[in-house]
Amino acid sequence: EMQLVESGGGLVQPGGSLRLSCATSGFTFSNYEMNWVRQAPGKGLEWVSYISSSGDTIHYADSVKGRFIISRDNAKNSLYLQMNSLRAEDTAVYYCARADDFWSRLLDYWGQGTLVTVSS
Amino acid sequence: EIVLTQSPGTLSLSPGERATLSCRASQSVSSNYLAWYQQKPGQAPRLLIYGASSRATGIPDRFSGSGSGTDFTLTISRLEPEDFAVYYCQQYGSTGTFGQGTKVEIK
Repeated sequence: EMQLVESGGGLVQPGGSLRLSCATSGFTFSNYEMNWVRQAPGKGLEWVSYISSSGDTIHYADSVKGRFIISRDNAKNSLYLQMNSLRAEDTAVYYCARADDFWSRLLDYWGQGTLVTVSS
Repeated sequence: EIVLTQSPGTLSLSPGERATLSCRASQSVSSNYLAWYQQKPGQAPRLLIYGASSRATGIPDRFSGSGSGTDFTLTISRLEPEDFAVYYCQQYGSTGTFGQGTKVEIK
């Protein structure tokens, strides 16, 4: 059974940092591109970041560029999101999502999400 | 950047009725790279439709997608109780932007 399990969310002060993890199983992680998507409370979905299967191609939304860093460890079947200089508007549930075989932003499997709250 | 606008914001229908959801793009969506997702409260989104009209694995055939260019539609032929949820369209040809969502609620 395919699983994506996020962790690392919590309450952090503005300007602080947090590192999210996404542990995967049930598929060959190293073959798949991955994404992070977030959802602010009561709001819609916002794509955040993308990483290729090897990790050599990375993209970010303008809203997080220069503050967030996506990475992966194929030996550990895990995806990460290092979030720095956090702002109140970064408060959201963060989902990791697997990209389809052919299209890097078509998200065929999602984790259950981890909540990040940025507040003093 | 392509902006997707979904309408209506909320659709109030009864089980068994037909639901028609719209997604309009600010510019043409290349190669119909348009997807639909379903999200229930407290759950992650689930991929329903890709390529504007192809159903994802395991999706019942009461869900269908249509459209091209800038105008797309998700149709649920007969609403089942488990279909009441929020639906998002997404263009995945470039940055992967989502529409703001349509809530299908029980009337």
